[in-house]
Amino acid sequence: ETGVTQSPTHLIKTRGQQVTLRCSSQSGHNTVSWYQQALGQGPQFIFQYYREEENGRGNFPPRFSGLQFPNYSSELNVNALELDDSALYLCASSWDTGNTEAFFGQGTRLTVV
Amino acid sequence: LAKTTQPISMDSYEGQEVNITCSHNNIATNDYITWYQQFPSQGPRFIIQGYKTKVTNEVASLFIPADRKSSTLSLPRVSLSDTAVYYCLVGDIGAGNNRKLIWGLGTSLAVNP
Repeated sequence: ETGVTQSPTHLIKTRGQQVTLRCSSQSGHNTVSWYQQALGQGPQFIFQYYREEENGRGNFPPRFSGLQFPNYSSELNVNALELDDSALYLCASSWDTGNTEAFFGQGTRLTVV
Repeated sequence: LAKTTQPISMDSYEGQEVNITCSHNNIATNDYITWYQQFPSQGPRFIIQGYKTKVTNEVASLFIPADRKSSTLSLPRVSLSDTAVYYCLVGDIGAGNNRKLIWGLGTSLAVNP
């Protein structure tokens, strides 16, 4: 148990729809990062939030957006879903923004049809 | 950013020691080496992190030679439950740097009875 929970665990959406994925970090963790993991690939960094501000972004379009709240929860929003957005979405929380131990949730499996 | 190379897959048997080697020829002075384990449809889990020589915890050992151009994750006496993908990551642990980590394909370890 990492103390990081994600919801929902599975989700099916139609192309063009919007989706919100949620993550509850460990208490006290100021940093949350979101990753996309396609089948058979390693996680790809989407963006990171530190104390409710975006703190870096990977090579993902603006239709991927996020929020971090004071209660250690966060959201990943994806607009105008595409078939290629089908993947496992992971959030990871950590004490800071350095390369320290990150605690991952179990992920949300998103399928876009 | 230091690129890493590790075997795509490995096979072992229960009770054996498994050594997974990661090459990182362009490792920088401030870079640390971190290993994660990931089971299917779950988030990665931190295993171990080190800078040089040897690091050991209750789960694994990490061997890093003097030139730091490679590292070896050693799993003693593996069991079926160690079947997973193992990722080697190399990066600076300073503030703001964990978002720069690149996750490759990892090494898929299969432990057989």
